[in-house]
Amino acid sequence: DSGVTQTPKHLITATGQRVTLRCSPRSGDLSVYWYQQSLDQGLQFLIQYYNGEERAKGNILERFSAQQFPDLHSELNLSSLELGDSALYFCASSVGGLGYEQYFGPGTRLTVT
Amino acid sequence: AQSVAQPEDQVNVAEGNPLTVKCTYSVSGNPYLFWYVQYPNRGLQFLLKYITGDNLVKGSYGFEAEFNKSQTSFHLKKPSALVSDSALYFCAVRAYGGATNKLIFGTGTLLAVQP
Repeated sequence: DSGVTQTPKHLITATGQRVTLRCSPRSGDLSVYWYQQSLDQGLQFLIQYYNGEERAKGNILERFSAQQFPDLHSELNLSSLELGDSALYFCASSVGGLGYEQYFGPGTRLTVT
Repeated sequence: AQSVAQPEDQVNVAEGNPLTVKCTYSVSGNPYLFWYVQYPNRGLQFLLKYITGDNLVKGSYGFEAEFNKSQTSFHLKKPSALVSDSALYFCAVRAYGGATNKLIFGTGTLLAVQP
């Protein structure tokens, strides 16, 4: 158990809908990262927050957004969902920035029908 | 472009034999290199990292990795493989780009250890 929790575990929704994925980092970790894992794209970095502020942005679509709250939990919002958004979404946390090891949550499997 | 490559989709090894999972990278500046392992239906787990110092890095579960600057490689090794080592292994490198600093992950190598 990494100490990172993600909810929900599974999510099935229709095209055009909006969903919110939630992540609670390990106790004491200030950075939160979001990743998308799919068979065709592999593991793609989406976005990083550090202590409530956006720190780095990767291949995140404009339809996607995220935030980190004062209690350090984070939410990833996915809107106008398309079939191609079906994937495993991971949250990870670390004490500091990219030089520190990241601890991954169990993931949320999103299926868009 | 900054990148990381894992040239083998799959590595097969017999239990008790040594194993090597290959990784090469291309980044500007000094590399930060990581290995992660993913078991089925689980998130990634950190194995080891190289930031600076000794080129041979020891990590979890008996794994180690050797940083080779001239060959821009960071191969993962273990002297004696276990069936329980069977999993998907990812190499990652920190890419520099100011606001777009990020970890780039390789495509993964599936390690299959036969009893």
